Amino acid sequence: AQSVTQLDSQVPVFEEAPVELRCNYSSSVSVYLFWYVQYPNQGLQLLLKYLSGSTLVESINGFEAEFNKSQTSFHLRKPSVHISDTAEYFCAVSELRGQNFVFGPGTRLSVLP
Amino acid sequence: KAGVTQTPRYLIKTRGQQVTLSCSPISGHRSVSWYQQTPGQGLQFLFEYFSETQRNKGNFPGRFSGRQFSNSRSEMNVSTLELGDSALYLCASSLGTGGEDTQYFGPGTRLTVL
Repeated sequence: AQSVTQLDSQVPVFEEAPVELRCNYSSSVSVYLFWYVQYPNQGLQLLLKYLSGSTLVESINGFEAEFNKSQTSFHLRKPSVHISDTAEYFCAVSELRGQNFVFGPGTRLSVLP
Repeated sequence: KAGVTQTPRYLIKTRGQQVTLSCSPISGHRSVSWYQQTPGQGLQFLFEYFSETQRNKGNFPGRFSGRQFSNSRSEMNVSTLELGDSALYLCASSLGTGGEDTQYFGPGTRLTVL
């Protein structure tokens, strides 16, 4: 069975500073990796995903994540955050076969002015 | 395309009652999954339906049940409500059931059990 760890439950950061949200996973099989974002009182929105190919994936709003198989990590980064990035971020994994999504506990990113 | 819709958005019930939540997937999506989100437990998988058949089930008691209709719309039912069932219930739809199929989430139904 898979599991996902997000070591940081809360990350405060000043506006325009860089940020990294950490995600590590455990699985006995190959997986797909996802980052979702949840704004207050809303559902989850897909931010980016890794299925295959280049290990660096990017989103349209400046976030990027790099799949590191040897370290079983999929950390999310942004070089310069905005106030509007304040939200909760969830890392998730799914097996190649079957949609058994497992979500991490989430990291609450607070961008301070 | 319209996104995933969930009704109602908010519900208040008392212990012992039952509740039915509804989810309409994105047009063309045939897979619907349900999740329970609480501050203490995070996001927990309830079950997944594809073509009216339950394909996967999470570790929840039998009080939690669901079904999917021929138009892919899905309902979730919780009987004999307990205080601990208070949560945000999220529905997600996807084209298929492969691990690569992105799940698109609805806004959720916030259930409060008094």
